[in-house]
Amino acid sequence: DGGITQSPKYLFRKEGQNVTLSCEQNLNHDAMYWYRQDPGQGLRLIYYSQIVNDFQKGDIAEGYSVSREKKESFPLTVTSAQKNPTAFYLCASSSGPWGNNEQFFGPGTRLTVL
Amino acid sequence: RKEVEQDPGPFNVPEGATVAFNCTYSNSASQSFFWYRQDCRKEPKLLMSVYSSGNEDGRFTAQLNRASQYISLLIRDSKLSDSATYLCVVKSTGGFKTIFGAGTRLFVKA
Repeated sequence: DGGITQSPKYLFRKEGQNVTLSCEQNLNHDAMYWYRQDPGQGLRLIYYSQIVNDFQKGDIAEGYSVSREKKESFPLTVTSAQKNPTAFYLCASSSGPWGNNEQFFGPGTRLTVL
Repeated sequence: RKEVEQDPGPFNVPEGATVAFNCTYSNSASQSFFWYRQDCRKEPKLLMSVYSSGNEDGRFTAQLNRASQYISLLIRDSKLSDSATYLCVVKSTGGFKTIFGAGTRLFVKA
């Protein structure tokens, strides 16, 4: 089955630790995205990548880092510099950023900082 | 002013009711429009794209008004299973910048 997988589903982190969230897609999509969702708010873009080995900051990139070494994978690292990391993290992909291409989402990772 | 604004609701309606959601956007250069559905603690999923001439998919009708910069979603004959949050989504010219509204929560009651 084609789709996007994210792991883990739930993640607990102590303050001061870096954690990496996994995102894998087998849809052969060029573009991938990371969003953060807080209660009662819309999705906010953290980073996006239009092609392998290239990525761009979104609206709230501070305290986060990404890599895009393979087309299928776009991991997100939440660093200790992120002041309020507890949130629902969603990874998405699309066949391209242009035109009417919809974004497909993974099931998300809920990160809680203890 | 937010780039995409939606009435947060919640909308509480009985089964069989017709309910309408509106969404306004601030960037007149926006080119693509969508409605997504998000169930509680799940990922958003595309409900329908919104085309300039308006479009319908079963009980769902989407409309776009470029002059007034708003889009709407009409749900007829509401079902219990329609209970969810509905997200208005707008893409700018050039594609990558996609703005999600905060969503409108719908509860359909028996």
